[in-house]
Amino acid sequence: QVQLQVSGPGLVKPSQTLSLTCPVSGVSITSDYYYWNWIRQSPGKGLEWIGYTYYSRATYYSPSLKSRVDISVDTSKNQFSLHLDSVTAADTAVYYCASAPAAGPVAFDYWGQGILVTVSS
Amino acid sequence: DIQMTQSPSSLSASVGDRVTITCRASQYVSSYLNWYQQKPGKAPHLLIKSASSLRSGVPSRFSGSGSGTDFTLTISGLQPEDFATYYCQQSYTPHALTFGGGTKVEIK
Repeated sequence: QVQLQVSGPGLVKPSQTLSLTCPVSGVSITSDYYYWNWIRQSPGKGLEWIGYTYYSRATYYSPSLKSRVDISVDTSKNQFSLHLDSVTAADTAVYYCASAPAAGPVAFDYWGQGILVTVSS
Repeated sequence: DIQMTQSPSSLSASVGDRVTITCRASQYVSSYLNWYQQKPGKAPHLLIKSASSLRSGVPSRFSGSGSGTDFTLTISGLQPEDFATYYCQQSYTPHALTFGGGTKVEIK
């Protein structure tokens, strides 16, 4: 079974870069079978997909965030990361990492516990 | 982006009730529609994928139906642990995934 856990700072200053990591256990991050996703949820609001990476094949980002987002993989640590540039208060949210099987329609089957990131000076 | 609209945004129901939640897509998504349950302070949990395929381990009182643009999630015989917020998500556009706004199921 895939297990994920988000880690990173809970407070980021405006205009800086938000950086989070998601160590994965139970499967290799280089697996052919999974997409590795980032999803966020603003306080009291709904879910927003940020993007996913399919190791060594492709990475896709939400059109609304594409200019500020980068998702990368660290095979030595079996983890993937999120970097979101030039953050504002609108980026305050709980950030989740999640896996999605690469076969068939994309559905998020395992999730990390989520981390609240507040953007404030 | 494909917009997903859920209705109602919230509802009150009693244990044992049959509950139906609707999700409408702004354009055709075939059967590429998933449903999630989220409890306060927790990550969402996948219930149903591909509109009607129940995930292993999910109680059979949950069911999904629909295709094209209109979908429903039904809970037949609401249980105390089912009070939560439910989200739909389309994967017809796999590089621009979107969720509905959520439906909160509360105790009457």
